Amino acid sequence: DSGVTQTPKHLITATGQRVTLRCSPRSGDLSVYWYQQSLDQGLQFLIQYYNGEERAKGNILERFSAQQFPDLHSELNLSSLELGDSALYFCASSVRGDANGYTFGSGTRLTVV
Amino acid sequence: AQSVTQLGSHVSVSEGALVLLRCNYSSSVPPYLFWYVQYPNQGLQLLLKYTSAATLVKGINGFEAEFKKSETSFHLTKPSAHMSDAAEYFCAVSGTSYGKLTFGQGTILTVHP
Repeated sequence: DSGVTQTPKHLITATGQRVTLRCSPRSGDLSVYWYQQSLDQGLQFLIQYYNGEERAKGNILERFSAQQFPDLHSELNLSSLELGDSALYFCASSVRGDANGYTFGSGTRLTVV
Repeated sequence: AQSVTQLGSHVSVSEGALVLLRCNYSSSVPPYLFWYVQYPNQGLQLLLKYTSAATLVKGINGFEAEFKKSETSFHLTKPSAHMSDAAEYFCAVSGTSYGKLTFGQGTILTVHP
């Protein structure tokens, strides 16, 4: 157990639907990162939050949004889902918001049918 | 901007043989470099990291990597492969203060008895 908790582990939904993925960072970590892993794109950085504020944005689609709450957990919202959104979504956390102390969660596997 | 190139999407070795997984990076600033391993249906586990200290970095499970600035390389090695090393390996670079990781496309390591 890495200490980073992602729920749900698996999610199957239909095209056009909206889902929410949840991430609880490791205790004491202030920063949360979201990554998407797909067969064609590999591992792509989506977005980072630090202590509730958005800090960096990567290749995140406009249909996707995220936030970090006061208790530091984060949610990634995916809407108007398409078949191509099927992927593994990873959350990672770190203490200071740099790459030195990353810890990854076990991921949420999203299947859009 | 940072980028990572992993040479060889598939590497096959015999049990007991040397493992060599190649990674070249591009970074406009002094980089942090990482190797992660991903077993089937699992998350990413940190093998080792380079953060500007010793250029030869030792990690878990007998793996090590050497940072060579002149060659912009960070190749992963293990003297003697074990069946349990079969997995996908990712090289990653972070050259920013906020910790975004840029991953290579991954190398699938197969170990034959």
